[in-house]
Amino acid sequence: AQSVTQPDIHITVSEGASLELRCNYSYGATPYLFWYVQSPGQGLQLLLKYFSGDTLVQGIKGFEAEFKRSQSSFNLRKPSVHWSDAAEYFCAVGGTGANNLFFGTGTRLTVIP
Amino acid sequence: GAVVSQHPSWVICKSGTSVKIECRSLDFQATTMFWYRQFPKQSLMLMATSNEGSKATYEQGVEKDKFLINHASLTLSTLTVTSAHPEDSSFYICSASDRGGSYGYTFGSGTRLTVV
Repeated sequence: AQSVTQPDIHITVSEGASLELRCNYSYGATPYLFWYVQSPGQGLQLLLKYFSGDTLVQGIKGFEAEFKRSQSSFNLRKPSVHWSDAAEYFCAVGGTGANNLFFGTGTRLTVIP
Repeated sequence: GAVVSQHPSWVICKSGTSVKIECRSLDFQATTMFWYRQFPKQSLMLMATSNEGSKATYEQGVEKDKFLINHASLTLSTLTVTSAHPEDSSFYICSASDRGGSYGYTFGSGTRLTVV
């Protein structure tokens, strides 16, 4: 069965600090992995995605994520967080032959000055 | 490229009325569209998948007579919430994919439905 686990419901970091958001997935085939960001009342913005190849993927806004097949993980990182990064972050998994995604429950990021 | 437009952004309706939400692919032909629902502070759940010119496939537990999906053209799919009730209040969001399977990961901006 397909599933995505984001173990951290809420994370608070200081502006300028580094960030890592955790994501673990379960998928019966080769996974496509995604990270989205959602501001309150807004739609989803794609930060980055992994289909194949280099397991370290770069995204927009200075984010990166690393695919670790052995750990079934796809953690999101940013070396220095900005106040504007405060939002809800969703990890999602999909695959070939279908383009619908399975989402994690999200991690709310709070950034303190 | 790969822009998905969703309209309206928010809507308030009276209980018992119907509401139509539109999802358009602006720069590609969307052979498949996906409709998701998001409850407050929760994740997104797939409601249904619609293929152009055919009936939508609904996920388990989603009432197809309540959530009518039409995908009559390659650029437009609509979700109609019929006889809306307060429990239908939610955030509805679509995504679209072309024949090659691309763009399925681009989402519309979502519609906030409030039923009073």
